[in-house]
Amino acid sequence: EVQLVESGGNLVQFGGSLRLSCAASGFTFSTFAMSWVRQAPGKGLEWVSSISYTGAKTYYPDSVRGRFTVSRDNSKSTLYLQMNSLRAEDTAVYYCVREVYNNGLFDYWGQGTLVTVSS
Amino acid sequence: EIVLTQSPGTLSLSPGEGPTLSCRASQSVSSSKLAWYQQKPGQAPRLLIFGASSRATGIPDRFSGSGSGTDFTLTISRLEPEDFAVYYCQQYGSTPLTFGQGTKLEIK
Repeated sequence: EVQLVESGGNLVQFGGSLRLSCAASGFTFSTFAMSWVRQAPGKGLEWVSSISYTGAKTYYPDSVRGRFTVSRDNSKSTLYLQMNSLRAEDTAVYYCVREVYNNGLFDYWGQGTLVTVSS
Repeated sequence: EIVLTQSPGTLSLSPGEGPTLSCRASQSVSSSKLAWYQQKPGQAPRLLIFGASSRATGIPDRFSGSGSGTDFTLTISRLEPEDFAVYYCQQYGSTPLTFGQGTKLEIK
């Protein structure tokens, strides 16, 4: 059974940093691209970052590029999201998601971890 | 960036009815790389449809998707009580990957 378990969400001050982790199991992690998708309270879904199965390529929308860094450790089957210079608009539930066919289609989602940025 | 606009925003229906949800893209979606997700309160989204019309594993056949280019639809043939949720479309043909704002199906 595919499982994605996020951790690291917390209350953080404006301008602060946080690192999220996602422990994957039930599949061969090193052969799948992975992504982070977030959802602000009561709002819709927003793609945050993607990383290729080797970790060699990363992708970001303009809203987080230069502030967020996605990485992975295939030996630990773990995905990471380093978030710096956090803003109030980064407040959201952050989902770890698996990409099927490594092309931006999301077939499995974790339950999410809440990040709250407060001044 | 491809902007996806979903309509209607909210749909109030009764079990047994057959809604059609719309997703319109601001430019053509490459190779019909359009997906639909269902999200229930307090849960993560679940993949329903990919490639505009292919059902994901385990999705009942009352869910069907169609469309190409800039206009896509999700149809539920007969609403079951468990289908009342929020539905999102997503394009994965180009980056940035984008989602529609969602359509909420609520019980009338």
